[in-house]
Amino acid sequence: GQQVMQIPQYQHVQEGEDFTTYCNSSTTLSNIQWYKQRPGGHPVFLIQLVKSGEVKKQKRLTFQFGEAKKNSSLHITATQTTDVGTYFCAGPGYGQNFVFGPGTRLSVLP
Amino acid sequence: DTGVSQNPRHKITKRGQNVTFRCDPISEHNRLYWYRQTLGQGPEFLTYFQNEAQLEKSRLLSDRFSAERPKGSFSTLEIQRTEQGDSAMYLCASSQMAYGYTFGSGTRLTVV
Repeated sequence: GQQVMQIPQYQHVQEGEDFTTYCNSSTTLSNIQWYKQRPGGHPVFLIQLVKSGEVKKQKRLTFQFGEAKKNSSLHITATQTTDVGTYFCAGPGYGQNFVFGPGTRLSVLP
Repeated sequence: DTGVSQNPRHKITKRGQNVTFRCDPISEHNRLYWYRQTLGQGPEFLTYFQNEAQLEKSRLLSDRFSAERPKGSFSTLEIQRTEQGDSAMYLCASSQMAYGYTFGSGTRLTVV
């Protein structure tokens, strides 16, 4: 079935360092979504990318959709302790649902 | 409307018992989804409603699971004859069209 993979599984950074997580699919995606889940919380929608090569920014977060629409990345500049959590990418499944990747868990050391 | 509401927040049940969870989506959203999440994993799709119609159901979903969305408003997810492997966080999400999901806080099920 449809799968999306993410690397790394875990990332520990010092506060102020940058962070990047990568999402890959074996098939072309019509769009991709990113979510953040804080420890003990529920996933919160961050953004949806639709166009090939699209780059979108939200303050210190930069999201990119690959030219072939098979991969995506999320980059955080100058991490803060508030960035702690697990970041999930999600691609369309078979039908109207989305398939979530396993997530990248980010910890930020103050 | 403050978002997606799920009840109860926690449920502990004995193996073999039936449980039912409720989800109240954002009222303007016509799409409602149920997902299941276990520790360290991403949410796993269970089923999808558009208004009151259940349009999709995961092939991995056991026959012990059933969901309803009467009148296209709130939804219930029932698990019959619970097993220890059913222990997980059950997340409900709603959306308008095919845009990003708004998740509820989930119901954490523990089967003992």
